[in-house]
Amino acid sequence: DTGVSQNPRHKITKRGQNVTFRCDPISEHNRLYWYRQTLGQGPEFLTYFQNEAQLEKSRLLSDRFSAERPKGSFSTLEIQRTEQGDSAMYLCASSSPRLAGAIETFTDTQYFGPGTRLTVL
Amino acid sequence: AQSVTQLGSHVSVSEGALVLLRCNYSSSVPPYLFWYVQYPNQGLQLLLKYTSAATLVKGINGFEAEFKKSETSFHLTKPSAHMSDAAEYFCAVILAGKSTFGDGTTLTVKP
Repeated sequence: DTGVSQNPRHKITKRGQNVTFRCDPISEHNRLYWYRQTLGQGPEFLTYFQNEAQLEKSRLLSDRFSAERPKGSFSTLEIQRTEQGDSAMYLCASSSPRLAGAIETFTDTQYFGPGTRLTVL
Repeated sequence: AQSVTQLGSHVSVSEGALVLLRCNYSSSVPPYLFWYVQYPNQGLQLLLKYTSAATLVKGINGFEAEFKKSETSFHLTKPSAHMSDAAEYFCAVILAGKSTFGDGTTLTVKP
């Protein structure tokens, strides 16, 4: 297994253009997360999927942002009508929560990809 | 609601000296706590995690952290810094699957 991969690694675009990023999680992981990281800050949670279902979305995820995971494997994050404030590193992570008896634990370790750095000119 | 505060955005130590990176958390219920390291232009790598078992947690690369409920702290330590430890370190709390990260501490190791 080669870990979580993200493409592209870098994207430069002009304000107003649409961009799409892809994340391929570790193959047996059923959870997939998207984060945004700006300079000098920690990662900020955007959204996460369990299999193909999008279970939670942060209020940071404006209506210009949409994420999909159609087959429960790879995921895409699209930003429409990009703004300069969207410039950031977009990180993807995946995990596989374990069952402790009948209760799913939330101690699952998230494995991060290398990120996609977006620059909006 | 949960939050994480990392005291000191920059820490500088000499090679061979003790490393201490501070993390305090706020959580309405017992949290799960993590430390991650990030090297330039790379993703985050897990150093260690606390999941309500032993309060002293040992991680990779000689790092360890101690969970202190009374102080709501989860400080990261390493007895002897190495040049390769220079990186950015993030403390995170996970509650109900949602992660909240601190703003990070940049560790510089001087020769």
